[in-house]
Amino acid sequence: DARVTQTPRHKVTEMGQEVTMRCQPILGHNTVFWYRQTMMQGLELLAYFRNRAPLDDSGMPKDRFSAEMPDATLATLKIQPSEPRDSAVYFCASGRDSLFTDFGAGTRLSVL
Amino acid sequence: QKEVEQNSGPLSVPEGAIASLNCTYSDRGSQSFFWYRQYSGKSPELIMSIYSNGDKEDGRFTAQLNKASQYVSLLIRDSQPSDSATYLCAVGTGANSKLTFGKGITLSVRP
Repeated sequence: DARVTQTPRHKVTEMGQEVTMRCQPILGHNTVFWYRQTMMQGLELLAYFRNRAPLDDSGMPKDRFSAEMPDATLATLKIQPSEPRDSAVYFCASGRDSLFTDFGAGTRLSVL
Repeated sequence: QKEVEQNSGPLSVPEGAIASLNCTYSDRGSQSFFWYRQYSGKSPELIMSIYSNGDKEDGRFTAQLNKASQYVSLLIRDSQPSDSATYLCAVGTGANSKLTFGKGITLSVRP
């Protein structure tokens, strides 16, 4: 029963379209992570923020992906333009100084 | 180079047996270690954390850490069919405790 809220839960889009995924971390958590999960690669860290500041986005393809945290209650992950290889489950997780990280239910993205 | 390795699996054990799940990591500076359970189609959920060498027990679960060998394991006693899931090892490294996950081990408990 996830308490980190992610929207949308499912997204089907066509190649080239912009995709925006949203995450509301648990109140009081100061660290937010974006992970991508595929069968081949497992869970890969894309980006993470502490106190809204980006700490590490080395796992994120910079040419098409962007992650922001406009306020403490919202984190966003955008893909523009999307490609079929971006099809995966994208998880947002939040924690207190990265400890005891709680995951959201995930966004299942299919790019056709 | 993958920093967290979970090489064995899938693992199948009979109900009531002990399931042993293993994980190795490459960064000697790693400071925090976690086991997550993920049911099919669901998100990972934290089941154990361990920070110092030795064993940590919580109910039927025991986490074991050996920093010298860069090895962390999870033992599940009296395995139940409801334990059937993928178990992910995660390691926290660096001042910002960046979490890196292994690919997971799929456990099947046979009734």
